[in-house]
Amino acid sequence: GAVVSQHPSWVICKSGTSVKIECRSLDFQATTMFWYRQFPKQSLMLMATSNEGSKATYEQGVEKDKFLINHASLTLSTLTVTSAHPEDSSFYICSVPQQGGLQPQHFGDGTRLSIL
Amino acid sequence: QKEVEQNSGPLSVPEGAIASLNCTYSDRGSQSFFWYRQYSGKSPELIMFIYSNGDKEDGRFTAQLNKASQYVSLLIRDSQPSDSATYLCAVNLSGYSTLTFGKGTMLLVSP
Repeated sequence: GAVVSQHPSWVICKSGTSVKIECRSLDFQATTMFWYRQFPKQSLMLMATSNEGSKATYEQGVEKDKFLINHASLTLSTLTVTSAHPEDSSFYICSVPQQGGLQPQHFGDGTRLSIL
Repeated sequence: QKEVEQNSGPLSVPEGAIASLNCTYSDRGSQSFFWYRQYSGKSPELIMFIYSNGDKEDGRFTAQLNKASQYVSLLIRDSQPSDSATYLCAVNLSGYSTLTFGKGTMLLVSP
Protein backbone atom coordinates (compact mmCIF):
# COMPACT_ATOMS: atom_id res chain seq x y z
CA GLY A 1 0.00 0.00 0.00
CA ALA A 2 0.92 3.65 -0.16
CA VAL A 3 3.64 4.84 2.15
CA VAL A 4 3.09 8.53 1.49
CA SER A 5 -0.23 10.30 0.97
CA GLN A 6 -0.26 13.66 -0.80
CA HIS A 7 -3.33 15.84 -1.17
CA PRO A 8 -4.78 17.37 -3.28
CA SER A 9 -3.73 15.67 -6.49
CA TRP A 10 -4.82 18.52 -8.73
CA VAL A 11 -5.50 22.19 -8.14
CA ILE A 12 -6.65 24.85 -10.57
CA CYS A 13 -7.00 28.34 -9.17
CA LYS A 14 -6.79 32.02 -10.00
CA SER A 15 -3.64 34.08 -9.82
CA GLY A 16 -3.11 35.52 -6.34
CA THR A 17 -4.62 32.55 -4.54
CA SER A 18 -2.71 30.69 -1.83
CA VAL A 19 -2.67 26.91 -2.13
CA LYS A 20 -1.86 24.40 0.61
CA ILE A 21 -0.54 20.93 -0.18
CA GLU A 22 -0.41 18.20 2.45
CA CYS A 23 2.04 15.32 2.68
CA ARG A 24 1.44 12.51 5.15
CA SER A 25 3.73 9.65 6.10
CA LEU A 26 1.43 6.66 6.59
CA ASP A 27 3.71 3.89 7.76
CA PHE A 28 6.18 5.56 10.08
CA GLN A 29 7.13 8.76 11.77
CA ALA A 30 9.24 11.07 9.68
CA THR A 31 11.35 13.81 11.19
CA THR A 32 12.37 14.82 7.69
CA MET A 33 10.37 15.20 4.50
CA PHE A 34 11.37 16.65 1.15
CA TRP A 35 9.50 18.89 -1.27
CA TYR A 36 10.30 18.80 -4.98
CA ARG A 37 9.05 20.67 -8.00
CA GLN A 38 9.05 19.33 -11.54
CA PHE A 39 8.38 21.39 -14.65
CA PRO A 40 7.36 19.65 -17.90
CA LYS A 41 10.13 17.50 -19.39
CA GLN A 42 12.46 18.50 -16.58
CA SER A 43 13.82 16.56 -13.66
CA LEU A 44 12.86 16.85 -10.04
CA MET A 45 14.34 19.84 -8.34
CA LEU A 46 14.56 19.87 -4.57
CA MET A 47 12.86 22.92 -3.14
CA ALA A 48 13.26 22.41 0.57
CA THR A 49 13.77 19.97 3.39
CA SER A 50 11.00 19.95 5.96
CA ASN A 51 12.14 19.35 9.52
CA GLU A 52 9.73 18.36 12.27
CA GLY A 53 9.61 20.98 14.98
CA SER A 54 12.04 23.38 13.35
CA LYS A 55 12.42 25.61 10.33
CA ALA A 56 12.61 24.16 6.87
CA THR A 57 15.85 24.28 4.93
CA TYR A 58 15.37 25.90 1.53
CA GLU A 59 17.50 25.33 -1.55
CA GLN A 60 19.20 28.23 -3.23
CA GLY A 61 16.81 30.29 -5.29
CA VAL A 62 13.65 29.12 -3.54
CA GLU A 63 11.77 31.94 -1.83
CA LYS A 64 10.99 30.91 1.72
CA ASP A 65 8.32 33.59 2.08
CA LYS A 66 6.52 32.35 -0.98
CA PHE A 67 6.74 28.63 -0.28
CA LEU A 68 5.79 28.21 3.36
CA ILE A 69 6.55 24.85 4.90
CA ASN A 70 5.15 23.57 8.17
CA HIS A 71 6.11 20.24 9.71
CA ALA A 72 4.03 20.28 12.85
CA SER A 73 3.91 16.56 13.52
CA LEU A 74 5.94 13.47 12.75
CA THR A 75 3.51 12.41 10.05
CA LEU A 76 2.46 15.65 8.36
CA SER A 77 4.24 18.34 6.37
CA THR A 78 2.46 21.09 4.45
CA LEU A 79 3.62 23.31 1.62
CA THR A 80 1.71 26.54 1.05
CA VAL A 81 2.27 28.40 -2.20
CA THR A 82 1.35 31.96 -1.28
CA SER A 83 -0.07 34.40 -3.80
CA ALA A 84 0.48 31.92 -6.61
CA HIS A 85 1.12 33.14 -10.14
CA PRO A 86 1.11 31.32 -13.49
CA GLU A 87 4.88 30.74 -13.30
CA ASP A 88 4.27 28.69 -10.15
CA SER A 89 2.28 26.17 -12.16
CA SER A 90 4.14 22.90 -11.80
CA PHE A 91 4.06 19.37 -10.41
CA TYR A 92 4.85 19.43 -6.70
CA ILE A 93 5.94 16.19 -5.08
CA CYS A 94 6.80 15.35 -1.50
CA SER A 95 8.93 12.46 -0.36
CA VAL A 96 9.63 10.66 2.86
CA PRO A 97 12.90 8.87 3.64
CA GLN A 98 12.45 5.16 4.19
CA GLN A 99 12.02 4.05 7.77
CA GLY A 100 13.02 7.40 9.17
CA GLY A 101 16.47 7.37 7.58
CA LEU A 102 17.58 9.48 4.69
CA GLN A 103 17.66 6.96 1.85
CA PRO A 104 15.91 5.82 -0.21
CA GLN A 105 12.85 8.01 -0.51
CA HIS A 106 9.22 7.19 -1.13
CA PHE A 107 7.29 9.75 -3.11
CA GLY A 108 3.76 10.96 -2.75
CA ASP A 109 1.52 10.93 -5.82
CA GLY A 110 2.22 14.58 -6.49
CA THR A 111 0.07 17.68 -6.86
CA ARG A 112 -0.52 19.23 -10.26
CA LEU A 113 -0.88 22.97 -9.70
CA SER A 114 -2.28 25.13 -12.46
CA ILE A 115 -2.57 28.87 -11.89
CA LEU A 116 -4.77 30.73 -14.32
CA GLN B 1 28.81 22.13 -10.22
CA LYS B 2 28.03 18.62 -9.12
CA GLU B 3 25.80 16.93 -11.68
CA VAL B 4 24.01 13.78 -12.67
CA GLU B 5 23.83 13.19 -16.40
CA GLN B 6 21.51 10.99 -18.43
CA ASN B 7 20.78 10.69 -22.12
CA SER B 8 17.28 12.06 -22.58
CA GLY B 9 16.42 9.53 -25.28
CA PRO B 10 14.01 8.25 -26.28
CA LEU B 11 15.56 4.81 -26.14
CA SER B 12 13.48 2.49 -28.29
CA VAL B 13 13.65 -1.28 -27.87
CA PRO B 14 11.39 -4.09 -29.08
CA GLU B 15 9.41 -6.15 -26.64
CA GLY B 16 11.52 -8.91 -25.11
CA ALA B 17 14.82 -7.13 -25.65
CA ILE B 18 17.23 -5.83 -23.03
CA ALA B 19 17.05 -2.12 -22.33
CA SER B 20 20.22 -0.48 -21.04
CA LEU B 21 19.98 2.88 -19.29
CA ASN B 22 23.07 4.79 -18.28
CA CYS B 23 23.89 7.55 -15.84
CA THR B 24 27.10 9.37 -15.00
CA TYR B 25 27.82 11.54 -12.01
CA SER B 26 30.49 14.11 -11.35
CA ASP B 27 31.03 13.79 -7.59
CA ARG B 28 33.53 10.99 -6.96
CA GLY B 29 32.53 10.89 -3.30
CA SER B 30 28.92 9.92 -4.01
CA GLN B 31 27.70 7.06 -1.87
CA SER B 32 24.18 6.02 -2.85
CA PHE B 33 22.59 5.52 -6.23
CA PHE B 34 18.96 5.09 -7.13
CA TRP B 35 16.83 4.33 -10.14
CA TYR B 36 13.26 5.61 -10.26
CA ARG B 37 10.61 5.00 -12.90
CA GLN B 38 8.19 7.80 -13.71
CA TYR B 39 5.13 7.42 -15.88
CA SER B 40 3.79 10.53 -17.56
CA GLY B 41 1.89 12.68 -15.09
CA LYS B 42 2.79 10.46 -12.15
CA SER B 43 5.32 10.68 -9.36
CA PRO B 44 8.53 8.63 -9.37
CA GLU B 45 8.51 5.03 -8.21
CA LEU B 46 11.65 3.46 -6.72
CA ILE B 47 12.97 0.61 -8.86
CA MET B 48 16.34 -0.17 -7.31
CA PHE B 49 19.15 1.27 -5.25
CA ILE B 50 22.78 0.28 -5.07
CA TYR B 51 25.61 1.27 -2.77
CA SER B 52 28.52 -1.01 -3.70
CA ASN B 53 30.50 -1.58 -6.86
CA GLY B 54 29.20 -4.40 -9.01
CA ASP B 55 25.81 -5.72 -9.95
CA LYS B 56 22.58 -5.95 -8.02
CA GLU B 57 19.71 -7.95 -9.44
CA ASP B 58 16.01 -7.80 -8.64
CA GLY B 59 13.75 -9.73 -10.96
CA ARG B 60 14.09 -8.35 -14.48
CA PHE B 61 16.14 -5.40 -13.27
CA THR B 62 19.89 -5.22 -12.73
CA ALA B 63 21.68 -2.17 -11.42
CA GLN B 64 25.39 -1.85 -12.14
CA LEU B 65 27.73 0.51 -10.35
CA ASN B 66 31.26 1.43 -11.29
CA LYS B 67 32.59 4.06 -8.93
CA ALA B 68 35.98 4.27 -10.63
CA SER B 69 34.31 5.30 -13.87
CA GLN B 70 31.56 7.19 -12.07
CA TYR B 71 28.65 5.59 -13.81
CA VAL B 72 25.64 3.60 -12.83
CA SER B 73 23.40 1.70 -15.20
CA LEU B 74 20.07 -0.09 -15.18
CA LEU B 75 19.40 -3.15 -17.32
CA ILE B 76 15.85 -4.26 -17.96
CA ARG B 77 15.59 -7.79 -19.31
CA ASP B 78 12.61 -9.05 -21.29
CA SER B 79 11.36 -5.50 -21.75
CA GLN B 80 7.59 -5.07 -21.78
CA PRO B 81 5.47 -2.26 -23.24
CA SER B 82 4.47 -1.47 -19.64
CA ASP B 83 8.12 -0.60 -18.97
CA SER B 84 7.73 2.42 -21.25
CA ALA B 85 8.38 5.38 -18.96
CA THR B 86 11.04 7.89 -18.01
CA TYR B 87 13.78 6.46 -15.83
CA LEU B 88 15.41 8.84 -13.37
CA CYS B 89 18.85 8.31 -11.94
CA ALA B 90 19.37 9.84 -8.51
CA VAL B 91 22.57 10.21 -6.55
CA ASN B 92 23.30 11.05 -2.97
CA LEU B 93 26.22 13.41 -3.46
CA SER B 94 28.90 13.40 -0.82
CA GLY B 95 28.23 15.83 1.98
CA TYR B 96 24.55 16.07 1.15
CA SER B 97 21.67 14.20 2.70
CA THR B 98 19.39 14.89 -0.24
CA LEU B 99 19.17 13.35 -3.69
CA THR B 100 20.26 14.94 -6.95
CA PHE B 101 18.31 13.73 -9.95
CA GLY B 102 19.27 13.43 -13.58
CA LYS B 103 16.83 14.66 -16.20
CA GLY B 104 15.77 11.13 -17.00
CA THR B 105 15.83 8.83 -20.01
CA MET B 106 12.60 8.05 -21.82
CA LEU B 107 12.25 4.37 -22.66
CA LEU B 108 9.84 3.19 -25.35
CA VAL B 109 9.18 -0.55 -25.64
CA SER B 110 7.33 -1.45 -28.81
CA PRO B 111 5.07 -4.53 -29.00
